[in-house]
Amino acid sequence: DIQMTQSPSSLSASVGDRVTITCRASQTITNSLNWYQQKSGKAPKLLISAASSLQSGVPSRFSGSGSGTDFTLTISSLQPEDFATYSCQQSYSIPYTFGQGTKVEIK
Amino acid sequence: QVQLQESGPGLVKPSETLSLTCAVSGDSISNGDWWSWVRQSPGKGLEWIGEIHLHGTTNYNPSLKSRVTMSLDKSENQISLRLMSVTAADTAVYYCARAGGYKMDGWGKGTTVSVSS
Repeated sequence: DIQMTQSPSSLSASVGDRVTITCRASQTITNSLNWYQQKSGKAPKLLISAASSLQSGVPSRFSGSGSGTDFTLTISSLQPEDFATYSCQQSYSIPYTFGQGTKVEIK
Repeated sequence: QVQLQESGPGLVKPSETLSLTCAVSGDSISNGDWWSWVRQSPGKGLEWIGEIHLHGTTNYNPSLKSRVTMSLDKSENQISLRLMSVTAADTAVYYCARAGGYKMDGWGKGTTVSVSS
């Protein structure tokens, strides 16, 4: 299985901050990387697919980059509604695997 | 906009079979490619259980493959999950999701399943 490792596991930030979350794959996955946002008690929501493709309706302050083994999710200016847990997922090979999640909390 | 709704018993006894259904509305499952099941144990990350293609082909997580069966019913527009011989480790929130193009872009709200005697 491909292991997905996110860092940090949690972070505290203020509204307006620029936030960066990193996801590393245990082997190359080309650009087969998705990012999900999950609010407490809710289902995950797809934000970005294929490493950098923003889903329809997702604010442009979210962006993704990377290829191979190292990927980044960036929130350019954190908004109150962005406090949530973010998870990466590789879709390169079965079984599809997720990172452990990064919890973004209010400072 | 597609909507998915999981349903099933909230409590299952150890060694028994967990059976869940995911009702799809707002779209036909025949219009999708793949339909997935994902679970999340308390306080843990997301775990992909497997997926089923509209033509019936399945892919399962090897860690669960010996116990999992997925099926779909086009006439009822729903997909199903069966997980045999459950243990406490199978306690989780179970989600169904529309999967296509190697991404899960529509999710149900999830259903909580506890395994306990």
